[in-house]
Amino acid sequence: AQKVTQAQTEISVVEKEDVTLDCVYETRDTTYYLFWYKQPPSGELVFLIRRNSFDEQNEISGRYSWNFQKSTSSFNFTITASQVVDSAVYFCALSDARGGTYKYIFGTGTRLKVLA
Amino acid sequence: DGGITQSPKYLFRKEGQNVTLSCEQNLNHDAMYWYRQDPGQGLRLIYYSQIVNDFQKGDIAEGYSVSREKKESFPLTVTSAQKNPTAFYLCASSIRDRNQPQHFGDGTRLSIL
Repeated sequence: AQKVTQAQTEISVVEKEDVTLDCVYETRDTTYYLFWYKQPPSGELVFLIRRNSFDEQNEISGRYSWNFQKSTSSFNFTITASQVVDSAVYFCALSDARGGTYKYIFGTGTRLKVLA
Repeated sequence: DGGITQSPKYLFRKEGQNVTLSCEQNLNHDAMYWYRQDPGQGLRLIYYSQIVNDFQKGDIAEGYSVSREKKESFPLTVTSAQKNPTAFYLCASSIRDRNQPQHFGDGTRLSIL
């Protein structure tokens, strides 16, 4: 079965600390895609990154970095030098394409609180 | 500016009443989705549509109905059969390909009067 687990329900850090959000997935597909989204207090989900199963290169975008490891079925997200504006709920998702339809399986999200 | 518009932002339902949540997109996306978000439960899929005039049930479709008569519109009706409708509802759209991210609206918060 397809599944995404975000075991950390809530994390609190002090501004400028580094923080890693964990994501573990399960899939029987050999080709799959993983996503991270940010949900600020305003409510809409904002797309952050996509990773396909063939590309295990880590990615860095400013203070954000992502570590994809197929061996452990993990796609973790690190924020370096966190800022108050990073406070949000972060979701990891896995795309599911079976029977010609496309849908996405989301984890339960991790609420990040960055304290000034 | 392309995007997804959900309305209203807040909605109140009386007992026994059906209410409809609007979702419109101008991104020319084929696929559209409705999710329900409850505290601590992430996003649960209600219905999704890959193409006009076709839609599929998601994981929690009971008590909800949808239509997809136009590519840009995917309204969700919360019927009186949905006994616990209080939640945050999010609409999303995407290009019809599993490697494509979804684009989300700002959501509608539904409460019971």
